[in-house]
Amino acid sequence: SAVISQKPSRDICQRGTSLTIQCQVDSQVTMMFWYRQQPGQSLTLIATANQGSEATYESGFVIDKFPISRPNLTFSTLTVSNMSPEDSSIYLCSVVYPMDIQYFGAGTRLSVL
Amino acid sequence: DAKTTQPPSMDCAEGRAANLPCNHSTISGNEYVYWYRQIHSQGPQYIIHGLKNNETNEMASLIITEDRKSSTLILPHATLRDTAVYYCIVCRTIYNQGGKLIFGQGTELSVKP
Repeated sequence: SAVISQKPSRDICQRGTSLTIQCQVDSQVTMMFWYRQQPGQSLTLIATANQGSEATYESGFVIDKFPISRPNLTFSTLTVSNMSPEDSSIYLCSVVYPMDIQYFGAGTRLSVL
Repeated sequence: DAKTTQPPSMDCAEGRAANLPCNHSTISGNEYVYWYRQIHSQGPQYIIHGLKNNETNEMASLIITEDRKSSTLILPHATLRDTAVYYCIVCRTIYNQGGKLIFGQGTELSVKP
């Protein structure tokens, strides 16, 4: 399986600021996904990040709020912009490995005050 | 993608088999059944997946009915460390690109001594 590193693992931020979350994988992968898990809820897909093209966002998520970069086949970032307390969640990245299996990082636990 | 229905919670005695059911009556012919679990807000962990044949790996067995409208995940000898939320997901995958995983509320499995 893939080894996926997310940074930071947790952070506490002030409202109105932005946080960039990094996702690094130990081998080249075509597709990466970003998810959000609000407190007590299940995971919700934010966007799909394919290297060399713009990220594709799911309904309810917009690029201005959650800009994503995918500069190469092993790395992606998700920025949570102009944060409010409602953005307090766990943010997770996942990668697609051979056999079309998605593997997840450990997540970034974000608290917005 | 087809939706799934799972019981919200189940209990299982340690050492016994845990059988987790999932209904996916609207599944399409090209959609796979995936099972993931999430232990205490860690990143989801891949367990197993299948199309129409029964599958077994070192973690679990997946039994898919002949009409593919339901499936059962079997943990043959549950341990306390198997306590987690288990997600059944149906997903159409594209080779080497995976697919969008739409997470429901899952089944909270409690393994008791």
